[in-house]
Formats: sequence, structure tokens, C-alpha cells
Amino acid sequence: EVQLVESGGGLVQPGRSLRLSCAASGFTFDDYAMHWVRQAPGKGLEWVSGISWNSGSIGYADSVKGRFTISRDNAKNSLYLQMNSLRAEDTALYYCAKNRGGGSYHDAFDIWGQGTMVTVSS
Amino acid sequence: DIQMTQSPSSLSASVGDRVTITCRASQGISNSLAWYQQKPGKAPKLLLYAASRLESGVPSRFSGSGSGTDYTLTISSLQPEDFATYYCQQYYSTPPKLTFGGGTKVEIK
Repeated sequence: EVQLVESGGGLVQPGRSLRLSCAASGFTFDDYAMHWVRQAPGKGLEWVSGISWNSGSIGYADSVKGRFTISRDNAKNSLYLQMNSLRAEDTALYYCAKNRGGGSYHDAFDIWGQGTMVTVSS
Repeated sequence: DIQMTQSPSSLSASVGDRVTITCRASQGISNSLAWYQQKPGKAPKLLLYAASRLESGVPSRFSGSGSGTDYTLTISSLQPEDFATYYCQQYYSTPPKLTFGGGTKVEIK
């Protein structure tokens, strides 16, 4: 079964850091680009960051650029999001998502995890 | 950055109705558009990609069309399980900055 399982969320104070992980199974992880998408409570979807199959192409939303770092370990079938200098507006459910068509960015997301909640509050 | 404007933001419809949701990009995106369905407490589900290609397992009452900057999701005959929020997404941008529309909530009339 194709599956993505996120972990690492929690309650964190403003200005602190958190690292999210996404464990992939059921597909050849290093064949696909991967992404992080977030959803603030009661709000819409916001793409956060994406990484190509070989980490050669990486992109970030303006709202997180310079604070968040995406990475992947193909040997461990895992995707990560290092989040630094967290703000209240980063509070959201963070989803890991798989590209449908392969290693390049430019495709839809066909598999999503169930998300991990990040709450930034003092 | 490419902005995606969805309309309407919400609509009320009855079972059996034909429903149309539109998405407009701030510049041409060459059919690099996906549609997702999200139900409360669940992750989004891919319905269509490349503007009009139906994802495997998705009922044929869902269809997509459009070109350039303007795209449409149509549900030909609304079913009870279709009440949800729908999002469009462009994946055209280079350098990559993928963006979602604001969502359309489809409610029961």
C-alpha cells in the first residue's frame, strides 16, 4: 500500500524550531518529487515547499523562504522539513505529498499523508 | 508569482444538480492544473490533473476543461458524497512556486 506518514508536529514557542518527517512506503521513493503543503485551521491549502527526486531542484513559498529547509534521504525513504524562527502564522496541519508523475516538480499530487499539526504559541 | 482565483467560494446545490467551479490563473499555465476534493478532517484527494485528465478511480461525473488562464471543474450530477471543498492548483511555475486556489465549499441546499 502506498503510504505517507508525517511526524514531528507539536506545540512550540514563537522563534523556536521544529523538524517534521515524512516516512514513505509502497512506492519507489527516489523516483518522485515530494512536497509539503499546510492548512491553517479553517483555511485553505498552501504549498510550502517542494524537492525534486535528487534534491537538485528545491522551491519555497515566499512565506517560509529563509526560515524553512526541505530535504530528503532517499536511502531512508524519508522527507523532512526543518522549520526555524517559527511564527504564530505557521500554525497549521502540515501534509506531505507525492508528485504524481515523477521526479520533476511540475505535476499534481496524487498521494497525501494525514498530516501533522504544528502549533506556534507562547 | 502565479495567483489562482477560484469562484464561487461557496455554493449550495441539491443531489442531481450540475455544478461548475471555475479557476482563473493570473497568467497562462498551459493546462498545468489539478483539482482536489477535501472532506472535513481528511487529506485532499486528487480528482483531475493536466486540466482534464481524470485520476484513476475517480467517478466519470467529474470532468475538467479550460486552457490558457481559465479552467473549469464540472460535476455532472451531484451525489451525496460530493459535498466537500474543492481546490484548484497550478504546477506550471518556474522556478517552482506552486499555488492553490482559495477553495470552493459545496454544501447541501
